[in-house]
Amino acid sequence: DAGVTQSPTHLIKTRGQQVTLRCSPKSGHDTVSWYQQALGQGPQFIFQYYEEEERQRGNFPDRFSGHQFPNYSSELNVNALLLGDSALYLCASSFPGQGAEAFFGQGTRLTVV
Amino acid sequence: AQKITQTQPGMFVQEKEAVTLDCTYDTSDQSYGLFWYKQPSSGEMIFLIYQGSYDEQNATEGRYSLNFQKARKSANLVISASQLGDSAMYFCAIPNQAGTALIFGKGTTLSVSS
Repeated sequence: DAGVTQSPTHLIKTRGQQVTLRCSPKSGHDTVSWYQQALGQGPQFIFQYYEEEERQRGNFPDRFSGHQFPNYSSELNVNALLLGDSALYLCASSFPGQGAEAFFGQGTRLTVV
Repeated sequence: AQKITQTQPGMFVQEKEAVTLDCTYDTSDQSYGLFWYKQPSSGEMIFLIYQGSYDEQNATEGRYSLNFQKARKSANLVISASQLGDSAMYFCAIPNQAGTALIFGKGTTLSVSS
């Protein structure tokens, strides 16, 4: 049984560019959450998708957007990248209504130069 | 608002010793849960143990146990018989008020030496 998978594992982008990160949830899970983890910090909640809609959002600007597909996989898009967007981006999946009881992927490490 | 505080940036322990990682929390909810995750250098967050606020006994999962003191709003993780593979970052977390996401502390780096 595959767990949560994320791609790519590492990414380097230039300031001002746009980036798309991808996540496939654990089998049987239909809720996907995204977290940003800056160096030396704990993960911070970006948003959650359920039934192809954004269900809840953390304190992140509109430059951060997402999408969920009918197969429950999800994308995180970040526009107009800033140096401060450099972080580990973690995807977590869960059963509906159980966003806190989540399984995490290995993350995508984004470096903005 | 929910908040997690982990005051130990780093802990050092020798193999086979026990270690306690501190976590205090703040919440206005009457019913809540506390989670502990391990994050090795590879980046994945690995679930370790969970304690519900109304659970009468402290949670235990193998070498991991949770010293839950509700009156003090404390949920410390105890790792018995440390192993080299325990070297990692450890995060304490509590669900947000909607119960849809986790709020994490800043974490504690555990280093186990032989």
